[in-house]
Amino acid sequence: QVQLVQSRAEVKKPGSSVKVSCKASGGSFSTYPITWVRQAPGQGLEWMGGINPLLGIADYAHNFQGRLTITADESTRTAYMELSSLRSEDTAIYFCARMLVQGTVSTGPWDYWGRGTLVTVSS
Amino acid sequence: EIVLTQSPATLSLSPGERATLSCRASQSVSSTYLAWYQQRPGQAPRLLIYSASIRATGIPDRFSGSGSGTDFTLTISRLEPEDFAVYFCQQSGSSPTFGPGTKVDIE
Repeated sequence: QVQLVQSRAEVKKPGSSVKVSCKASGGSFSTYPITWVRQAPGQGLEWMGGINPLLGIADYAHNFQGRLTITADESTRTAYMELSSLRSEDTAIYFCARMLVQGTVSTGPWDYWGRGTLVTVSS
Repeated sequence: EIVLTQSPATLSLSPGERATLSCRASQSVSSTYLAWYQQRPGQAPRLLIYSASIRATGIPDRFSGSGSGTDFTLTISRLEPEDFAVYFCQQSGSSPTFGPGTKVDIE
């Protein structure tokens, strides 16, 4: 059974960075792209970007270009999402999710999801 | 960017009733790239339907999806208590987007 376990909640100051991890167990890690989706309090879902762990190639939503770095470590079966220059609007739950099918793109659909990591940006 | 619009925003129904949720795209979306998710309070989204009409593993057959082009529909044939939740459509183009969601609540 595939499970994605995310790191704990974080509280960050404006202007700082946060790095959230997503550790996969069960199934193949390398051949299923991992994506990151966030959800501001009481709001909808926003795709941030994703990575193909095998190739190590990430793609990003335009809204996050320059501020977002997604990486993956095959040896530990862990994907990471690092967001810099944090502002209050970045307060959200950050989810990692795995592509339904093996391949190179991370654009969905996603059938396994982590439970989410709450990131609070506050001075 | 493809904008997805969902209607209604809220659907108030009773258990046993039929729910029909709409998702409209600002431009044509290949059926292959349209999915539906359910999200219960405090939980991650759950994949229900992909490729517009294919149920994901373990999804009951009371859930069905249809549509093409710019208009897609999720139907829940008979609402069970656990189906009262928020439903999002999502397109998997080069820049994925989600609809704003439809909340199905108990009347």
